[in-house]
Amino acid sequence: DAGVTQSPTHLIKTRGQHVTLRCSPISGHKSVSWYQQVLGQGPQFIFQYYEKEERGRGNFPDRFSARQFPNYSSELNVNALLLGDSALYLCASSLFTDTQYFGPGTRLTVL
Amino acid sequence: GENVEQHPSTLSVQEGDSAVIKCTYSDSASNYFPWYKQELGKRPQLIIDIRSNVGEKKDQRIAVTLNKTAKHFSLHITETQPEDSAVYFCAASNFGNEKLTFGTGTRLTIIP
Repeated sequence: DAGVTQSPTHLIKTRGQHVTLRCSPISGHKSVSWYQQVLGQGPQFIFQYYEKEERGRGNFPDRFSARQFPNYSSELNVNALLLGDSALYLCASSLFTDTQYFGPGTRLTVL
Repeated sequence: GENVEQHPSTLSVQEGDSAVIKCTYSDSASNYFPWYKQELGKRPQLIIDIRSNVGEKKDQRIAVTLNKTAKHFSLHITETQPEDSAVYFCAASNFGNEKLTFGTGTRLTIIP
């Protein structure tokens, strides 16, 4: 069965640019969460969406935004990229807001 | 907010021996504690989780114990194999809440 999918796999951007990352949850799952994982650290919570509504937001600046679509897929947008935004961005899928299953991530490099 | 501490940061174990990774949490409202395994360049993979209404859970060679009074939980891997080599993360949340708070990870190396 299909797991969580994310696109693109890798992305290289320059400072000041904007990026959109995409996530498709496991079929039947209604919740999507986004995490940022800097090399050598644990994932840090950015957002959770359930039934297209934002359920939680982590300690990230307003440059980070997200949304969930009627088919439960989700986008994470980051504006005015900084070097420090370079990280692995992980999407996690859950049936409601419970056990979370991660996708393969998008590796973002900001130059 | 919740704070999760994890140790050791690195652990080397002879193949066939047991490995133990420990985590402590700060928020007494936390009641859900998953463990994830992350191999190099891959996604975090859920290997076991425990809720606060139980003190121990086992799945084949993997077990997790929880001490709510002391606010700590541990991952036990028995009869370790080379494929157990990875980074392991503990996490905590208030089940049904939106946010998993992760520990800093333990790099486990199984020595053949």
